[in-house]
Amino acid sequence: GQNIDQPTEMTATEGAIVQINCTYQTSGFNGLFWYQQHAGEAPTFLSYNVLDGLEEKGRFSSFLSRSKGYSYLLLKELQMKDSASYLCAVRVTGGFKTIFGAGTRLFVKA
Amino acid sequence: GAVVSQHPSWVICKSGTSVKIECRSLDFQATTMFWYRQFPKQSLMLMATSNEGSKATYEQGVEKDKFLINHASLTLSTLTVTSAHPEDSSFYICSARDPGTSGRAIETQYFGPGTRLLVL
Repeated sequence: GQNIDQPTEMTATEGAIVQINCTYQTSGFNGLFWYQQHAGEAPTFLSYNVLDGLEEKGRFSSFLSRSKGYSYLLLKELQMKDSASYLCAVRVTGGFKTIFGAGTRLFVKA
Repeated sequence: GAVVSQHPSWVICKSGTSVKIECRSLDFQATTMFWYRQFPKQSLMLMATSNEGSKATYEQGVEKDKFLINHASLTLSTLTVTSAHPEDSSFYICSARDPGTSGRAIETQYFGPGTRLLVL
């Protein structure tokens, strides 16, 4: 079966750094996505990793280890507007199908 | 960046009626589109994969006769919820796969703004 695990909720302070972990066990692997979703809105694309290593994009970085079935999203210099759900998603082989984790709700406090 | 539109954004209908939701990729050709459903405080559940010019592939447990999908062109896919019932009330989101063209990030999915369906 397909299994993607990430913490349900996290709380962090404005200006701090937070790391959101994701582990996956899927029938295939063709890339891992991170999306941000604010309540009542559709997800917005943050990052895509298909090779091992760290991808940095501004305040957001995403890491992938395929051998460990592990990824993390790192958010630096947290802002209040970063309060949202962060979805880890794996594209499994065959038809570009993408499976989503349950999401991590991040609360940023002043 | 790439844009995917969805219409309508809100639907309120009576039980037993059918509802059609449109998903369009506005500035790229999407050979593959995906339809998701999301219940409150839950993650996106893939309902089906829609390929242009062929039949949709439905996930286990999703009734293909109830959720009709048509991907008639490279920029348009439609989802019709037939004979909707209150338990079909949900947030329906489409996404389109951008295979990658010059100047744009490759191999990503862009999501539409979603359609909130309420069946009374």
